Amino acid sequence: QVQLVESGGGLVKPGGSLRLSCIASGFTFSDYYMTWIRQAPGKGLEWLSHISGSIIYTNYADSVKGRFTISRDNPKMSLYLQMNSLRVEDTAVYYCVRGELDFDYWGQGTLVTVSS
Amino acid sequence: DIQMTQSPSSLSASVRDRVIITCRASQDISNHLAWLQQKPGKAPESLIYAASALQSGVPSRFSGSGSGTDFTLTISSLQPEDFATYYCQQYKHYPLTFGGGTKVEIK
Repeated sequence: QVQLVESGGGLVKPGGSLRLSCIASGFTFSDYYMTWIRQAPGKGLEWLSHISGSIIYTNYADSVKGRFTISRDNPKMSLYLQMNSLRVEDTAVYYCVRGELDFDYWGQGTLVTVSS
Repeated sequence: DIQMTQSPSSLSASVRDRVIITCRASQDISNHLAWLQQKPGKAPESLIYAASALQSGVPSRFSGSGSGTDFTLTISSLQPEDFATYYCQQYKHYPLTFGGGTKVEIK
């Protein structure tokens, strides 16, 4: 069955960096766009970025453009999100999600807390 | 950005009630709309895509309708496991955007 398992979250100071990872299993990873979506505590969902299966295409929300970088390693069936220049408002649960436009499988999420 | 407005923001209902949640887009999104369910402390799960198509494994008591700017999610007979927060999401234009959520609580 399809599984997405995120890791790499934690506590980081404003201005710091963090790299999130997501390991996929149960499907042909390289066939699918993958997406990162986040949810601030007690808030709604925010689409952040996606990357094509071929790694050719990426797209970012304005709120993270220039600070976050999405990447993937298809042989390792892994998705990444490099987050730099982190801000307090980046505090959220970050979800790894399968799909480009509508999303059929979600990981359990990893919590990123940005605080001094 | 396309704004997605859900109503109500919360509702109380009983088991076996019929529940209707609405979602309005700030501009025409055709049928590029999905519905998600999220239970406390859990990741969202996909229910419906293309406004009315059920994801595999989703019970038939869930249905979606609408096109253009106005959409509805209907739960025909609310079950105990359906108490959750529901989100709509448009995927017609970037950035993809979500509604603010509708929390369905037990009456």
